[in-house]
Amino acid sequence: DGGITQSPKYLFRKEGQNVTLSCEQNLNHDAMYWYRQDPGQGLRLIYYSQIVNDFQKGDIAEGYSVSREKKESFPLTVTSAQKNPTAFYLCASSMTSLQNIQYFGAGTRLSVL
Amino acid sequence: DAKTTQPTSMDCAEGRAANLPCNHSTISGNEYVYWYRQIHSQGPQYIIHGLKNNETNEMASLIITEDRKSSTLILPHATLRDTAVYYCIVYKAAGNKLTFGGGTRVLVKP
Repeated sequence: DGGITQSPKYLFRKEGQNVTLSCEQNLNHDAMYWYRQDPGQGLRLIYYSQIVNDFQKGDIAEGYSVSREKKESFPLTVTSAQKNPTAFYLCASSMTSLQNIQYFGAGTRLSVL
Repeated sequence: DAKTTQPTSMDCAEGRAANLPCNHSTISGNEYVYWYRQIHSQGPQYIIHGLKNNETNEMASLIITEDRKSSTLILPHATLRDTAVYYCIVYKAAGNKLTFGGGTRVLVKP
């Protein structure tokens, strides 16, 4: 069953703690993305990666880090430097092509304890 | 990327066509119009996209005006499951970045 899997579905972070959100895809897509969504708002791009071992900052990268060691995996770490991490986090992937259709995971809802 | 303007919300009767407008007056020649929707607490779902010609697929139709400054997404027979936030996005192929605005909150009523 092809698609994008995000885990966990819900995550709680303590003050000063780093947490890592998982994103795995078996669509053989080259590009992967992380978005943040606050209540009632649209999506904002955190980081994206067009190829293994390469990634670029999006519009709101401060306080976040990523890695892309494998084509199918693009984990996002929310560091302690991110002072307002409570949000809905969405991962997406796409074939890198002229026409970019992104497929999204079900999301991870992060809250601060 | 060009910005888009959509109504904040709209209601639609079940079984009727839903017509969702989007203005993108600053669109440039190499920018596509994409539509996604997001059902509550789920990831967005791709619906359709186009450059200048009208497009149709199993989910919807996309009508783009001749000057490309606006477009309309048409859901031909709205069902209750079509209740969602619909995002109109203008995308430049080389950018690999989709910019999601506020979208239109569509409520399909029985």
